[in-house]
Parts: sequence; structure tokens; C-alpha cells
Amino acid sequence: ELKVEQNPLFLSMQEGKNYTIYCNYSTTSDRLYWYRQDPGKSLESLFVLLSNGAVKQEGRLMASLDTKARLSTLHITAAVHDLSATYFCAVDMGYALNFGKGTSLLVTP
Amino acid sequence: GAVVSQHPSWVICKSGTSVKIECRSLDFQATTMFWYRQFPKQSLMLMATSNEGSKATYEQGVEKDKFLINHASLTLSTLTVTSAHPEDSSFYICSARGASGGPSFEQYFGPGTRLTVT
Repeated sequence: ELKVEQNPLFLSMQEGKNYTIYCNYSTTSDRLYWYRQDPGKSLESLFVLLSNGAVKQEGRLMASLDTKARLSTLHITAAVHDLSATYFCAVDMGYALNFGKGTSLLVTP
Repeated sequence: GAVVSQHPSWVICKSGTSVKIECRSLDFQATTMFWYRQFPKQSLMLMATSNEGSKATYEQGVEKDKFLINHASLTLSTLTVTSAHPEDSSFYICSARGASGGPSFEQYFGPGTRLTVT
């Protein structure tokens, strides 16, 4: 059974600070996704990582994938309040996605 | 990106009644559709996978007779919650995926349906 572990599950950080969310998974996969979810809303796709060493950046968010270590990271640079949300990583099992538990991020002034 | 719609966006029903939720891929053909449920402050749990024209594959622990899934066309899948009970109250999210290797192979998520059973 594929396990996807995210940490931390809760993160409170000050505006302007940097932090990294980690996503570990237990079996081989060639696709990993990061999503954002705002309260009461569905998922917003942030990044699709398709190969080892893939790095993608959008604004203050940067995601990377190390398939050998079975590890993906989501790095937040100079956080702003608008980034407050829950972030999920999800590993493609070939027929569906297996989600991590999510990281609830709160950015405070 | 590809667009997936869900209807209704929220529904309140009485215990014992049935509710149907529709999931449509608006601008691509979805060979596979997925149904997830999400309880408050929890992650998404896959309920079932459906391919157009064939029976859905349910995850372990999901009652097939309670959660009826139909994927009658390449753009529409429905989830019917039969004899709903308060514990079925949840946020139901569908996603759709196009053909392997095609431009819409990534999973695209609908906006979700919030079901409250009273």
C-alpha cells in the first residue's frame, strides 16, 4: 500500500519568512502533484512534477522532486498572508491519486 | 487547463432519501473519473474509480450499494448516495482524467459538492 506522509501538518509562520513542507512516499511513482485548498473550496493545482530532479516555481512557491529518495518539497519564500491555506501533495498510483494528510499553513503578520 | 464541473455545489437532504451528484468534463473527454470524499480538516479519500461504459471500482470499505456510480458517457459521471444518513454528510469531490499520453491526462478536479444529511 502506498503511503504518503506530509510534514509538518500544521505550520504557523510570520510574513517574510521561508519554510519547507516535506512529502515522503513509500513506493515508486513518476508523477507527484501539489495542490492548494482554501476553506470550503476544492483543490487548486499548483505543480505537476514528472521526473527526478524536477523543479518548478510559481511566485513564492517552489516544488522539487527526488524520485530516488521518494521525497518532494514545497518551499515557501518570503511568505505573505495570501498563502494561508492547506497544501496537499498527491502521488499518482497509475489509476488514482493518493493524498498526504495536508499541511495547514497560517501566515501571520 | 481543462474544466470539470459538479452539480449541485451544495445539497441538504433528509435522512433516508437519495441524492445524485453530477460530474462533467466540459472541454475534454474523460476516460476515467474519480470520486473522493473529504471530512472536515481531513485529506481526500478515494471512494471509487470509474471508466466510461464499465462498472466502477470501489475502494476497500466503500459500500457499492450505498454509493452508486454511473459513468455513462465520456463527459459525465454521477454519484448517487442512497438512503443517506447523517454520517454521509461530507464534501464530495470528483476528478476527471483524459486518455493516457494526451494533453488532459492530468487529473482535473471539480469544485466539490457539500452534502448535509439532516
